[in-house]
Amino acid sequence: DAGVIQSPRHEVTEMGQEVTLRCKPISGHDYLFWYRQTMMRGLELLIYFNNNVPIDDSGMPEDRFSAKMPNASFSTLKIQPSEPRDSAVYFCASSPTGGTIEKLFFGSGTQLSVL
Amino acid sequence: GESVGLHLPTLSVQEGDNSIINCAYSNSASDYFIWYKQESGKGPQFIIDIRSNMDKRQGQRVTVLLNKTVKHLSLQIAATQPGDSAVYFCAENRGSGGGADGLTFGKGTHLIIQP
Repeated sequence: DAGVIQSPRHEVTEMGQEVTLRCKPISGHDYLFWYRQTMMRGLELLIYFNNNVPIDDSGMPEDRFSAKMPNASFSTLKIQPSEPRDSAVYFCASSPTGGTIEKLFFGSGTQLSVL
Repeated sequence: GESVGLHLPTLSVQEGDNSIINCAYSNSASDYFIWYKQESGKGPQFIIDIRSNMDKRQGQRVTVLLNKTVKHLSLQIAATQPGDSAVYFCAENRGSGGGADGLTFGKGTHLIIQP
């Protein structure tokens, strides 16, 4: 099992540029989550999907952020335009079906730096 | 006062000693708890979980204790090894019937293993 795969591992961009983060969940997992981790706020849930459908996006900071899941094996998180305060580690996680979401399997994250 | 950022609690122990990492939770309705380990440059990794109908659960070298009276959770690691150096997070599911918004992560404790 390859686990949750995220790309790129590191992204350095300039303010105002578009950034796209990618995630491949574990095969067979019905839930996919995007988290952001900073020293100030810790782990924050941005959005999650169930069977490719966005369920809760209340954690998405503002309209500059958008996420899609066109199929069961791929999701993207896009920031447009990016700002320095978006600098953080972004994690994707997936979880198997089971009613209550409990155990999450995290990817290795994307370290985003916006200059 | 001015916030200067989040300083993680740090626990330093000698290699071979036992360590205890503590976590306080706030919601008495929480019915499921998880401990995650996050090594530098990696995503959080599941260690052990416990449901609210239990007060103790053991894994390999790890034990989780739950005290619902004082809303306290602890992770005990026996015979610590250098590979145990990491940030440890507790997470609670607030029993909202499911959903990732019911899974809340703590800020984390940095465990350092001294040789």
